[in-house]
Amino acid sequence: SQQGEEDPQALSIQEGENATMNCSYKTSINNLQWYRQNSGRGLVHLILIRSNEREKHSGRLRVTLDTSKKSSSLLITASRAADTASYFCATEPSGYSTLTFGKGTMLLVSP
Amino acid sequence: GAVVSQHPSRVICKSGTSVKIECRSLDFQATTMFWYRQFPKQSLMLMATSNEGSKATYEQGVEKDKFLINHASLTLSTLTVTSAHPEDSSFYICSATFRNTEAFFGQGTRLTVV
Repeated sequence: SQQGEEDPQALSIQEGENATMNCSYKTSINNLQWYRQNSGRGLVHLILIRSNEREKHSGRLRVTLDTSKKSSSLLITASRAADTASYFCATEPSGYSTLTFGKGTMLLVSP
Repeated sequence: GAVVSQHPSRVICKSGTSVKIECRSLDFQATTMFWYRQFPKQSLMLMATSNEGSKATYEQGVEKDKFLINHASLTLSTLTVTSAHPEDSSFYICSATFRNTEAFFGQGTRLTVV
């Protein structure tokens, strides 16, 4: 079963605006990862955040992790049309070498 | 929602043998399937993209003769790890899409080569 659940399912914004996507999970984790998938292409890894980390940045991306709430958020600042894609969170449960994906958030950034 | 079934979930094999992993879309036609592998505590790596009826496109550094991908029907893709070695031990996961719409993931396969 898919542990991570992203919300919203779909998000439509204008260029320049910020986009925030959330991910919730159920069990304790080693790490949580965010991926992007453009239409027809494979997943692209964005950020990996470990369970002992609370926040990570990469360019215009900011990821937070709240293990007490079992949730994570991905913030894309100053969005661009090229950010249009599906975004997935994936969790690696503690004690397991597996990866479980959520259903994803489809982001549409309009010029 | 759509379901992708990946089988087996775990497999242990001897070095030198081949292992086949199946990825099935249960309620939709998967025009494209992706195969990934993941080492513990690392991110996924795309291995290959498979379109139904055509040869898979492999990512750089992935040996196509070692990782055989077949996508002969719209509901089934298989990944065969040939002459497996301990370094092939990994977590393999597939995802499937219908005409580049949303992607659905299999449950993954933990391969251990002893």
